[in-house]
Amino acid sequence: DSGVTQTPKHLITATGQRVTLRCSPRSGDLSVYWYQQSLDQGLQFLIQYYNGEERAKGNILERFSAQQFPDLHSELNLSSLELGDSALYFCASSDFPGSQQFFGPGTRLTVL
Amino acid sequence: QQPVQSPQAVILREGEDAVINCSSSKALYSVHWYRQKHGEAPVFLMILLKGGEQKGHDKISASFNEKKQQSSLYLTASQLSYSGTYFCGTLVSGNTGKLIFGQGTTLQVKP
Repeated sequence: DSGVTQTPKHLITATGQRVTLRCSPRSGDLSVYWYQQSLDQGLQFLIQYYNGEERAKGNILERFSAQQFPDLHSELNLSSLELGDSALYFCASSDFPGSQQFFGPGTRLTVL
Repeated sequence: QQPVQSPQAVILREGEDAVINCSSSKALYSVHWYRQKHGEAPVFLMILLKGGEQKGHDKISASFNEKKQQSSLYLTASQLSYSGTYFCGTLVSGNTGKLIFGQGTTLQVKP
């Protein structure tokens, strides 16, 4: 158990819909990261927040957005969902940028 | 740019050794190694910072050649529990945690 929690564990939805994935970092960690893992793309960095502010961005689609709240939990919002968005979404946290990242168990998103 | 890992897949017998390589075209600040078992989250193994250091953890060790932007993960006397997919993640700056992962190396250890 890494100490990072993610909800929900599984999510099945239809194309065009919007979903929100939630992540609670390890106690004391200020950095939160979001990754997408699909079979053909591997682990792709989406976005990083540090103490409530966006710190780094990857190839995150405009349909996707994220935020980190004052209590340090983070949410990833995915809208206008397409079949290709089906993937495992991982959240990770670390105490400071550049240090080891602890991954949560992931949310498996299936878009039908 | 995504680092390149080699080989893509390895099959070993228990007790055999393996080396997994990770190569980047960019100047790196650090290299992170993770292992992921099927259906589970990636688990951190070790970080190597620029400076050519070598680290070890039990029978797993790694090196980082800063001049060549290459890192290697060494697994000695492999155990069944070593099976999984190994990813290297590269950082070009210590100010962010923007890890760019390689495509992964699948390791299967057989009895």
